[in-house]
Amino acid sequence: GAVVSQHPSWVICKSGTSVKIECRSLDFQATTMFWYRQFPKQSLMLMATSNEGSKATYEQGVEKDKFLINHASLTLSTLTVTSAHPEDSSFYICSASGSGTGDYEQYFGPGTRLTVT
Amino acid sequence: RKEVEQDPGPFNVPEGATVAFNCTYSNSASQSFFWYRQDCRKEPKLLMSVYSSGNEDGRFTAQLNRASQYISLLIRDSKLSDSATYLCVVKPELTGGGNKLTFGTGTQLKVEL
Repeated sequence: GAVVSQHPSWVICKSGTSVKIECRSLDFQATTMFWYRQFPKQSLMLMATSNEGSKATYEQGVEKDKFLINHASLTLSTLTVTSAHPEDSSFYICSASGSGTGDYEQYFGPGTRLTVT
Repeated sequence: RKEVEQDPGPFNVPEGATVAFNCTYSNSASQSFFWYRQDCRKEPKLLMSVYSSGNEDGRFTAQLNRASQYISLLIRDSKLSDSATYLCVVKPELTGGGNKLTFGTGTQLKVEL
C-alpha cells in the first residue's frame, strides 16, 4: 500500500514557540492531504484539507492563522502550530490521497505527538 | 447528535470469543463506510470497507443496514493481537466534500488469556 511518513514522531516545546510538522507521501502523488487532531480518548477530528498548490480549507472552529498549512508539492504538506500553548498538546495525524490510491482511501501517517509545556 | 456514534467500551473478552461492535451514523446520504483499527499511540489503519451486502475478511465480518443507519463489525475467534480500538468511519456524500472522512470515537477491545 501507499506509504505516508510524518516527522517528527514526537516533540516537546515551550509555550509560545512554533512547531512545524511534515507529512510526506513516499511512493505516490498526494493531490489531497488531510490534517487531523486527536485528544486522548477522543476521535480523530479533521482540522483542514489541503490540495496541492492551493489554500487549505479549514474546518469550523479551527484557527487558520494558528495552524498554518502549506501543500507546496505533490509529496509534502506541512502543518505549523504557531505560538503553541498547552491546550494544543495533542496527537496530530496527516493522511494523503491521490493518484493511484482510489477515490476514497486515505493513507495515514504515523502521527506526531506534540506536548507543549 | 454526533455524526458517528459508537459504544466506547472497553470490551474485555477471553481469547477465542466472538465479539460484535455497533455503530450508528446520522447522515442518511452517507455513501461509504469503513472500519479502522487504531493501536495505542498509533495511526488508524484500514481494516475493511463495509458493503450493504455484508462482507467478510477472515475472522472479520462487517454489515451495513442503510435503513437503520447502522454498521456492525463481528470478530470471531478473537486473538490477543486483536486488542485495539476499532473506529467506525463514514464518508459523507457532500458536494465538494471530496474524500473527507468522519470518525467515531472508537470502541476499545481487550482480548485476555
